[in-house]
Amino acid sequence: DTGVSQDPRHKITKRGQNVTFRCDPISEHNRLYWYRQTLGQGPEFLTYFQNEAQLEKSRLLSDRFSAERPKGSFSTLEIQRTEQGDSAMYLCASSLRLAGDNEQFFGPGTRLTVL
Amino acid sequence: GQQLNQSPQSMFIQEGEDVSMNCTSSSIFNTWLWYKQDPGEGPVLLIALYKAGELTSNGRLTAQFGITRKDSFLNISASIPSDVGIYFCAAKPGGGGADGLTFGKGTHLIIQP
Repeated sequence: DTGVSQDPRHKITKRGQNVTFRCDPISEHNRLYWYRQTLGQGPEFLTYFQNEAQLEKSRLLSDRFSAERPKGSFSTLEIQRTEQGDSAMYLCASSLRLAGDNEQFFGPGTRLTVL
Repeated sequence: GQQLNQSPQSMFIQEGEDVSMNCTSSSIFNTWLWYKQDPGEGPVLLIALYKAGELTSNGRLTAQFGITRKDSFLNISASIPSDVGIYFCAAKPGGGGADGLTFGKGTHLIIQP
């Protein structure tokens, strides 16, 4: 399978715990994006990387959230001191940044439930 | 902030019917994308539009980029059961720097037997 993969697919945690999610983009893609999706809503942009550089952060990305892409390949999203409001689907997408190419391809998501 | 108003919120149709949904905004966007999402899965890209006025087809799907750059629509012809799902419009303003997509709230397509 050469698509975007995410791990784990589901995570249940207790309030106050830290969680970390992993995303593996399509292999030749240089841009990687994180989105959050709550029930009944469309995905909301959180942040993106071009290679290992984090180029944009949304106001939704509170200081409890941190994302890394250390070698420009896979990325991790960590949420510290989780709150019930963090319960959502966390989606990763990747794209190959070329002139005029804005197509982002999504992974299956990680469903987070904070009890 | 930028918002995409997607309508209708849900559609109940019979198999074989044509479907039409649209997305509007008060802001100008330079790229419009349409995605389909099944329960528990990530969105799947259907069509990407890059030029105002552009009309693009993908099988039974046809999408158009509005000439004002503030809207887009998606048509599905001769619907089949596997078309069931949530359809999202997404858009990007373009220019340097900003690359995150803004999404609508989705159109939930339900096909009645």
